[in-house]
Amino acid sequence: QLQLQESGPGLVKPSETLSLTCTVSGDSVSSSSYYWGWIRQPPGKGLEWIGSIFYPGSTDYNSSLKSRVTISVDTSKNHFSLNLSSVTAADTAVYYCARHWVVPGAIDWFDPWGQGILVTVSS
Amino acid sequence: SYELTQPPSVSVSPGQTARITCSGDALPRKHAFWYQQKSGQAPVLVIYEDSKRPSGIPERFSGSSSGTMATFTISGAQVEDEADYYCYSTDRTGKHRVFGGGTKLTVL
Repeated sequence: QLQLQESGPGLVKPSETLSLTCTVSGDSVSSSSYYWGWIRQPPGKGLEWIGSIFYPGSTDYNSSLKSRVTISVDTSKNHFSLNLSSVTAADTAVYYCARHWVVPGAIDWFDPWGQGILVTVSS
Repeated sequence: SYELTQPPSVSVSPGQTARITCSGDALPRKHAFWYQQKSGQAPVLVIYEDSKRPSGIPERFSGSSSGTMATFTISGAQVEDEADYYCYSTDRTGKHRVFGGGTKLTVL
């Protein structure tokens, strides 16, 4: 059964780079069948798609975050990573990783999701 | 940018039918998906491709879509169905992936 687990620092200083990793078990990040995505949720607010990656390196980012986001994949560790630069308090959120099912023009959804990790941006 | 609009809250008594709507201009051409998020937990897919139910999801959960509106229905809502529900879809190009603002379902 596919499981995803987010990891990384829970506290990041303003202007620094937020770096998270999603470790995948039960499937391979190099699978040609799926994308792998990141979604975030500020405290008490709704969900926002950040971006997704398709092995070996095709990426798709939310246009509102594109200038600050980088998503990469490491097949040796079977994980994919998120870097978000120049963070501010507005980037404080629970960050989720998920398998992203995409058939262009046909289907597009996230399932399953990791449990999420809270990242606070504060000095 | 593309938006999906949901009511902020819906309230029903146990055993009643709960309906949550999601409106978006691209829904006539794009499927809607629904997620349930209980307090402190990650979202769980409960409806995909407008009306299909994943394995393990109760039969009382259903979905439909007509024109620019998708609807998620719980027939005979139970107290354990209390949660936030989010619709998800894309714009016509498929490039803008968005979630609705979420609907808090209260069953009491």
